Amino acid sequence: DGGITQSPKYLFRKEGQNVTLSCEQNLNHDAMYWYRQDPGQGLRLIYYSQIVNDFQKGDIAEGYSVSREKKESFPLTVTSAQKNPTAFYLCASRGGGLPSGRETQYFGPGTRLLVL
Amino acid sequence: AQKITQTQPGMFVQEKEAVTLDCTYDTSDPSYGLFWYKQPSSGEMIFLIYQGSYDQQNATEGRYSLNFQKARKSANLVISASQLGDSAMYFCAMRGANTGNQFYFGTGTSLTVIP
Repeated sequence: DGGITQSPKYLFRKEGQNVTLSCEQNLNHDAMYWYRQDPGQGLRLIYYSQIVNDFQKGDIAEGYSVSREKKESFPLTVTSAQKNPTAFYLCASRGGGLPSGRETQYFGPGTRLLVL
Repeated sequence: AQKITQTQPGMFVQEKEAVTLDCTYDTSDPSYGLFWYKQPSSGEMIFLIYQGSYDQQNATEGRYSLNFQKARKSANLVISASQLGDSAMYFCAMRGANTGNQFYFGTGTSLTVIP
């Protein structure tokens, strides 16, 4: 079945450690996104990529890094520079269509990151 | 700048009744799309309904309908015949013609359906 997978479901990070969250999609979508969600909050954009080997910072990119070497994959690294990384991280992808068109984002199941 | 505002942090509705979740937006884009998503306690985001800024009719998808008032910049979600499974967080989002592939989300409304 087509969809988006994220792993792991839960991730624990020690102080000063970098961790990488995986996001894979088999929907043949060009655009991929990473969002952070804090309790009781909406989604805030960390990074997004519209095409392979290209990505743009979102509203809260500091302390995070990404790569887009393959169309299917968009891993997110939470670096030690991110001082408050505890949150729920959602990956999404979107197919083509007009910018204001009805093509929605499709979301993965999310990764919960906790700091030990 | 794009902004989505959801002013109802929490809402309660009796089972089988209808409920309206509010969403207002601000944009200078001449063309844009509005989306509603449902987020159950498990965390996944589920797409519910879409409204284009130039659509002549309000969108409907099963028990979901969108009350779109362009002049007031509002896009309220109406859920008819509420079911217990409708209890979740609901997010309004927007994507504009001039914002590329970027979506903007509101802070969400928590809906609880009471038996």
